[in-house]
Amino acid sequence: GENVEQHPSTLSVQEGDSAVIKCTYSDSASNYFPWYKQELGKRPQLIIDIRSNVGEKKDQRIAVTLNKTAKHFSLHITETQPEDSAVYFCAASGGSNYKLTFGKGTLLTVNP
Amino acid sequence: DADVTQTPRNRITKTGKRIMLECSQTKGHDRMYWYRQDPGLGLRLIYYSFDVKDINKGEISDGYSVSRQAQAKFSLSLESAIPNQTALYFCATSGQGGTDTQYFGPGTRLTVL
Repeated sequence: GENVEQHPSTLSVQEGDSAVIKCTYSDSASNYFPWYKQELGKRPQLIIDIRSNVGEKKDQRIAVTLNKTAKHFSLHITETQPEDSAVYFCAASGGSNYKLTFGKGTLLTVNP
Repeated sequence: DADVTQTPRNRITKTGKRIMLECSQTKGHDRMYWYRQDPGLGLRLIYYSFDVKDINKGEISDGYSVSRQAQAKFSLSLESAIPNQTALYFCATSGQGGTDTQYFGPGTRLTVL
């Protein structure tokens, strides 16, 4: 089955700096890569996703890049703000059943 | 999303007890999922259902069972709870498309003493 590795497990940045979270996956058939944000005590919510026919996708301060050859994808957050502090999960799915496999999460702390 | 609800939100029980967690959705989605979240381990899939007559095991189904009572309802049961099933449990739903967004419920915090 699919295996998703996520790094780093914790990340602390100063407000205004950029943050990058990286994930690798094992199943070359995977073709859908969402990112979820989970604030403390809340449910995970989708913030951005990318499909395998696209190399990069941006939404305001958030961008995701995908390298299918290397089987890795990354989340980039620019001009970080304290409200970006949360746990971020990457995930991958594809193949015959499209069930998501999640990484173990990255705790991002943005210091004012 | 208020469209995906879970009951109870918190539950404390004892080893050996049978527990049922319930999930309801008003999104009209066919696909429903149960995940378990433990600190440092991310979200792990317990069971998933692509329609009322379809039930599939996820990566950690041992000790759990599910029932899909209707399109909108998907229940998770622990037949005989044990302490290492103490965790945060999330239900999620999605449309039929393979890349449709999964929408999560608010979670149920289960403690097994």
